[in-house]
Amino acid sequence: NAGVTQTPKFRILKIGQSMTLQCTQDMNHNYMYWYRQDPGMGLKLIYYSVGAGITDKGEVPNGYNVSRSTTEDFPLRLELAAPSQTSVYFCASSYRGGFEKLFFGSGTQLSVL
Amino acid sequence: DQQVKQNSPSLSVQEGRISILNCDYTNSMFDYFLWYKKYPAEGPTFLISISSIKDKNEDGRFTVFLNKSAKHLSLHIVPSQPGDSAVYFCAASASVDSNYQLIWGAGTKLIIKP
Repeated sequence: NAGVTQTPKFRILKIGQSMTLQCTQDMNHNYMYWYRQDPGMGLKLIYYSVGAGITDKGEVPNGYNVSRSTTEDFPLRLELAAPSQTSVYFCASSYRGGFEKLFFGSGTQLSVL
Repeated sequence: DQQVKQNSPSLSVQEGRISILNCDYTNSMFDYFLWYKKYPAEGPTFLISISSIKDKNEDGRFTVFLNKSAKHLSLHIVPSQPGDSAVYFCAASASVDSNYQLIWGAGTKLIIKP
């Protein structure tokens, strides 16, 4: 069972470039999330989705966009990359919201130089 | 303003002994707490949780204690095993938050010495 799959695992971007981080889950989960983790900090929520066609901002949404056209996929788009977006990005999913535990992908290490 | 704090960046414990990881929070509206474990190059995985209506929850070698008056929770691992070496994150949520957004601590790296 694949669970939550993120691609790519590593990426280096130049300032001003754009890219899409891919996330797909095969658990038929309704809820999907994008987090970022900066060195020495906890995870911060960027965007989340409660189902196909529905997305909402988290704590740190600026500089990012998301879409949820299917239950399985939740891509994160970075437009005009900036050094402040250098971070590790995690995608996660859960069947329900509330206090249900999250299932995470293995992360994407992104550097913006 | 860190609402969830894990003040020890790292902790080293002898194999077989007890590991105690601590977490403090400032928001009195938090009423659900979770611990996640993370190995290098992997995403976090859920370990154990506790609701504010309890003060203790056990799952095998793992026990979480909640002290609401002190706004403090701790994770006890007994006995500690080499496979427990990982980063442990504490996270908190408030049921009054309709989004049930999780607020995460910075993590504590646990090293189990043979």
